[in-house]
Amino acid sequence: GDSVTQMEGPVTLSEEAFLTINCTYTATGYPSLFWYVQYPGEGLQLLLKATKADDKGSNKGFEATYRKETTSFHLEKGSVQVSDSAVYFCALSGGYTGGFKTIFGAGTRLFVKA
Amino acid sequence: EAGVAQSPRYKIIEKRQSVAFWCNPISGHATLYWYQQILGQGPKLLIQFQNNGVVDDSQLPKDRFSAERLKGVDSTLKIQPAKLEDSAVYLCASSTRVSGRSYEQYFGPGTRLTVT
Repeated sequence: GDSVTQMEGPVTLSEEAFLTINCTYTATGYPSLFWYVQYPGEGLQLLLKATKADDKGSNKGFEATYRKETTSFHLEKGSVQVSDSAVYFCALSGGYTGGFKTIFGAGTRLFVKA
Repeated sequence: EAGVAQSPRYKIIEKRQSVAFWCNPISGHATLYWYQQILGQGPKLLIQFQNNGVVDDSQLPKDRFSAERLKGVDSTLKIQPAKLEDSAVYLCASSTRVSGRSYEQYFGPGTRLTVT
């Protein structure tokens, strides 16, 4: 079935450091890919998305490119802030073997130190 | 625009007791989802409604879990009887679209259930 694998956390960075959180997926068909973020005490919220190969999603300084050849959707940010501390979830939807439901990765917790 | 509302935010019960969670989606959102998020894992879909009909409940443990969405608006998820392994955060989400590959889901804050 469809699946999403993301790097284990926690990831601890100093403010203004470069961030990469790796995400790879397994799916048939042409799924859409998402990054959701969960701040402490809050629900998940969509950070960015990409709907087809080579699309780049971007929001709030975060970027991710849909790479079909490597089945990846890595999240990057050039300079993190303390306020970026949260749990980040990679997800896909629209895969045939997933029944078109949204499949989430396990999440990666990010801590940013001042 | 009001977001997805859930209650209660926290619940502690003993095993074999029953519990119910409530969700009110964003106004006008036809699709409603219940997810279970166990500590350290991503959300897992339990059930998906389109209006008041069930679209997908393949991962709902039907011997103990039930859900309904009366009148196609708010929804309740019930567990009876609860087991220790049901300890998790239960997330409700809603979206405007039934299917399609790029729809965004809007999540509520979740209900944290502890079964002792």
